[in-house]
Amino acid sequence: DSGVTQTPKHLITATGQRVTLRCSPRSGDLSVYWYQQSLDQGLQFLIQYYNGEERAKGNILERFSAQQFPDLHSELNLSSLELGDSALYFCASSLDPGPEETQYFGPGTRLLVL
Amino acid sequence: EDKVVQSPLSLVVHEGDTVTLNCSYEVTNFRSLLWYKQEKKAPTFLFMLTSSGIEKKSGRLSSILDKKELFSILNITATQTGDSAIYLCAVTPQPGGSQGNLIFGKGTKLSVKP
Repeated sequence: DSGVTQTPKHLITATGQRVTLRCSPRSGDLSVYWYQQSLDQGLQFLIQYYNGEERAKGNILERFSAQQFPDLHSELNLSSLELGDSALYFCASSLDPGPEETQYFGPGTRLLVL
Repeated sequence: EDKVVQSPLSLVVHEGDTVTLNCSYEVTNFRSLLWYKQEKKAPTFLFMLTSSGIEKKSGRLSSILDKKELFSILNITATQTGDSAIYLCAVTPQPGGSQGNLIFGKGTKLSVKP
């Protein structure tokens, strides 16, 4: 158990809908990362937050957005869902935002878009 | 374009065998390379290798980083069925050192047969 929690574990929804994934980082960690893992693309970095501020952006679609709240939990919002958005979404956290900080991954949210 | 390539994609061995997993990378400004083990869900951290730490060992697992040739290997000796997993290699590519997002390879799926 990494100490990172994610809810829900599974989510099934329809195309065109909007969902919100939630992540609570490890106690004391200030930086949160979101990743998407699909069968054909592998793990892809989406976005990073540090202490409430956006720090880095990766391959995140415009239909997706995220935020980190004052209590440091983060939410990833996915809208106008498409079949191709079906994937495992991971949240990771680290104490600091730098590249030499180990990231600890949560259990993931499996999203299925029908 | 920054990329991480792992080989082989899949490997089947018997208990007691020694395996070597490969990871090569091309990044704009290398800062660190990480190895993760992914079993059923979340990747779990194994090693981080940086300029100041190019060789790491933990029990039957060890890893080295060759910054000149731009690759890393993960070695597992006396494999056990519990080593069966997908092994992921990731690098942090951003210049400036302020961001920690990871670029992952597609992984090596290791299956250890009794």
